[in-house]
Amino acid sequence: GIQVEQSPPDLILQEGANSTLRCNFSDSVNNLQWFHQNPWGQLINLFYIPSGTKQNGRLSATTVATERYSLLYISSSQTTDSGVYFCAALSRGAQKLVFGQGTRLTINP
Amino acid sequence: GAVVSQHPSWVICKSGTSVKIECRSLDFQATTMFWYRQFPKQSLMLMATSNEGSKATYEQGVEKDKFLINHASLTLSTLTVTSAHPEDSSFYICSALLAGVYNEQFFGPGTRLTVL
Repeated sequence: GIQVEQSPPDLILQEGANSTLRCNFSDSVNNLQWFHQNPWGQLINLFYIPSGTKQNGRLSATTVATERYSLLYISSSQTTDSGVYFCAALSRGAQKLVFGQGTRLTINP
Repeated sequence: GAVVSQHPSWVICKSGTSVKIECRSLDFQATTMFWYRQFPKQSLMLMATSNEGSKATYEQGVEKDKFLINHASLTLSTLTVTSAHPEDSSFYICSALLAGVYNEQFFGPGTRLTVL
């Protein structure tokens, strides 16, 4: 099945910094989603982005499907951005999202 | 829109008892729901796929007689952990598939199960 790898595993930044999180996947995808898991465990949908670029406020994401990677950009980080960011991919013909191991982001004041 | 709820948020039970967790899609109908398990500082692991009106499909290594799944309506799926043991303690998360052009999954807030 499809493999999903995220990097870096951990990222510690000062408030106000920008960050880039990467997600590589091993097969063609019908669906790629980015999530933020907050300290209480809730997964919040950030982007549905199997291809192209989307922006939502300080967050943006780009998926280059032909090269099998996706990037999540966070600009002007705030302490509330802390948590774990997951990408998950659904390969063509499959029904199950496969999750990466996540990137743990810590934003210090 | 696309809100998924879970109940209870947390539960503590004695070893040997059964626990039922509910997952509801509040503002959309979900033919397909999913149940995940997450251990501390790890990623989500899919346990089973729940389809309305049919038997759940379990992932390899998940005991279907221990983790009973029922998807009796288009807005409700339940996971029952039978004869729970301390090793079943974990964070259980459900998701519901919003089918359509995008087939996007939306997740519930999770249920933290502690078995004493």
